[in-house]
Amino acid sequence: SQTIHQWPATLVQPVGSPLSLECTVEGTSNPNLYWYRQAAGRGLQLLFYSVGIGQISSEVPQNLSASRPQDRQFILSSKKLLLSDSGFYLCAWDGGANVLTFGAGSRLTVL
Amino acid sequence: AQTVTQSQPEMSVQEAETVTLSCTYDTSENNYYLFWYKQPPSRQMILVIRQEAYKQQNATENRFSVNFQKAAKSFSLKISDSQLGDTAMYFCAFREVNTNAGKSTFGDGTTLTVKP
Repeated sequence: SQTIHQWPATLVQPVGSPLSLECTVEGTSNPNLYWYRQAAGRGLQLLFYSVGIGQISSEVPQNLSASRPQDRQFILSSKKLLLSDSGFYLCAWDGGANVLTFGAGSRLTVL
Repeated sequence: AQTVTQSQPEMSVQEAETVTLSCTYDTSENNYYLFWYKQPPSRQMILVIRQEAYKQQNATENRFSVNFQKAAKSFSLKISDSQLGDTAMYFCAFREVNTNAGKSTFGDGTTLTVKP
């Protein structure tokens, strides 16, 4: 069966520290992968998407970057976090029938 | 660029009653997909229902149905016989068809509370 794993679930980081959120998918190959951010009480903002290894497209200029070192691995990073980076981050993959399947999310608080 | 608007930030309904959530979108595309996703308090986002724009028939999924008005660019969700477990944030989403990436655009969501 196809599953998506995302970690860590919760992260509290000081301003200026680095960030790494990881997402892996099982049970499929060459999936389209996406990183979304959800501000408190708001909708989802697409940050990055990837259609293959090493192929990253950025939707919003910001303090974050993404990488896809392996077919089913998608990483969201930052070298120096800002207060405005706080939020709920969701990884998703194109699970067939054009439906997004989401990970459980990562709540990031930057202090 | 496509936009999705949900004009009802919050709604409430009594258990067993029916509620309708509104969604409008803007696009120049003729073929696309529309979705309603549900995000319960656990924050795990799941699909509620899916509609293909080329299909005139409204999608239904058990107690959930949509009213898809393509000309008006409207896509509302009706929940019948509301249950306490329906309490969640509901997101309307639009997805391109004719692209490799298949990016989805989401509305800001409607928080639905089902009251006992």
